[in-house]
Amino acid sequence: QVQLQESGPGLVKPSQTLSLTCTVSGGSISSGSHYWTWIRQPAGKGLEWIGRIYTSGSTNYNPSLRSRVTISLDTSKNQFSLKLSSVTAADTAVYYCARILPSAWGQGTLVTVSS
Amino acid sequence: DIQLTQSPSFLSASVGDRVTITCRASQGISSYLAWYQQKPGKAPKLLIYAASTLQSGVPSRFSGSGSGTEFTLTISSLQPEDFATYYCQQLNTYPYTFGQGTNLEIK
Repeated sequence: QVQLQESGPGLVKPSQTLSLTCTVSGGSISSGSHYWTWIRQPAGKGLEWIGRIYTSGSTNYNPSLRSRVTISLDTSKNQFSLKLSSVTAADTAVYYCARILPSAWGQGTLVTVSS
Repeated sequence: DIQLTQSPSFLSASVGDRVTITCRASQGISSYLAWYQQKPGKAPKLLIYAASTLQSGVPSRFSGSGSGTEFTLTISSLQPEDFATYYCQQLNTYPYTFGQGTNLEIK
């Protein structure tokens, strides 16, 4: 079965770019018709959908983040990535990568924005 | 954005109880609704998709219903492992928003 694992720096300075990678194992990221998604959750709060990328490379982003977000696919490494620019403390959260259907989620990674 | 409002936000119940959580959408979303269970420190777990389809491996005590703007998640007989936070998510219109969550606690 497909498994997802987030990786990246746990601490990012304000105004810099947050970069995370999701490694997919147990299946090819480019096979089938799947959407690969990023979701985040500030501590003690609810879930926020960031955006997704299709196996073809087409993307959809949350309008509230669109100007700062890029999601990309690296089929050679079976990975997809999130870049969020100009971060502030409000971007501190646990970031999850996921495939909504069929469902598969990473365990989540905490990213703290602080100087 | 489509707003999803869950009620109640907090629910206290006992093992064996039947509980229902409601999710109301600010506009119609057909049956494009999913329900998740989340335990502390863990990723959300998909329970129900397409409003009423039970995810493989999820116990049959969980059920979902509804379409349009009103949806429900029902747990027919609460088990100790069901105490968690539950979220609905609409998958009809970008951005794919979530409800604010329902915290189900042991009475």
